[in-house]
Amino acid sequence: GNSVTQMEGPVTLSEEAFLTINCTYTATGYPSLFWYVQYPGEGLQLLLKATKADDKGSNKGFEATYRKETTSFHLEKGSVQVSDSAVYFCALSEPGTASKLTFGTGTRLQVTL
Amino acid sequence: DVKVTQSSRYLVKRTGEKVFLECVQDMDHENMFWYRQDPGLGLRLIYFSYDVKMKEKGDIPEGYSVSREKKERFSLILESASTNQTSMYLCASSRDTGTNSPLHFGNGTRLTVT
Repeated sequence: GNSVTQMEGPVTLSEEAFLTINCTYTATGYPSLFWYVQYPGEGLQLLLKATKADDKGSNKGFEATYRKETTSFHLEKGSVQVSDSAVYFCALSEPGTASKLTFGTGTRLQVTL
Repeated sequence: DVKVTQSSRYLVKRTGEKVFLECVQDMDHENMFWYRQDPGLGLRLIYFSYDVKMKEKGDIPEGYSVSREKKERFSLILESASTNQTSMYLCASSRDTGTNSPLHFGNGTRLTVT
């Protein structure tokens, strides 16, 4: 079956540091890939997505590239802010859909001044 | 903006009680979902619905049932609550099943079963 593996957290960074959160997946066919973010006390919200190999999703300074050869979708940001502190979830769905997602375990990011 | 509202933020129930978790969305979305979120396990899909009166099992449906009598409302039912159902429950909706239709989540209900 489908599965998503994320790096263990928490990740603690100073403001303006470079961020990478690793995500790899196992799936049949060509899934769609997503990053969701959960700020404290809130529900998850979509951060970015990619629906086919070599697609790059981007939003709010975050980027992730769909790498089929390495089955990866790593999240990156060049300069994090305190307001980026949250839990980040990598997820996949069947091709052509954004519903019925399989989520990773989540990675907590803490950014300090 | 899409709003997904879960009726309770915190809930404490006793073992064996019947528990109802309610979720309402205000954007006429076709699809609704119930997930539970546990540390180290991420989000796991319990049940989902693509239409009124329709339901499908997710990955962990045991011990749960659902009801969707109206398009905007999706209820999760614990027939006889057990302590291993203590968790954060997240409801979500989406307009359709296409890739341009992401999930919109509520803020969650933290259920404690004692």
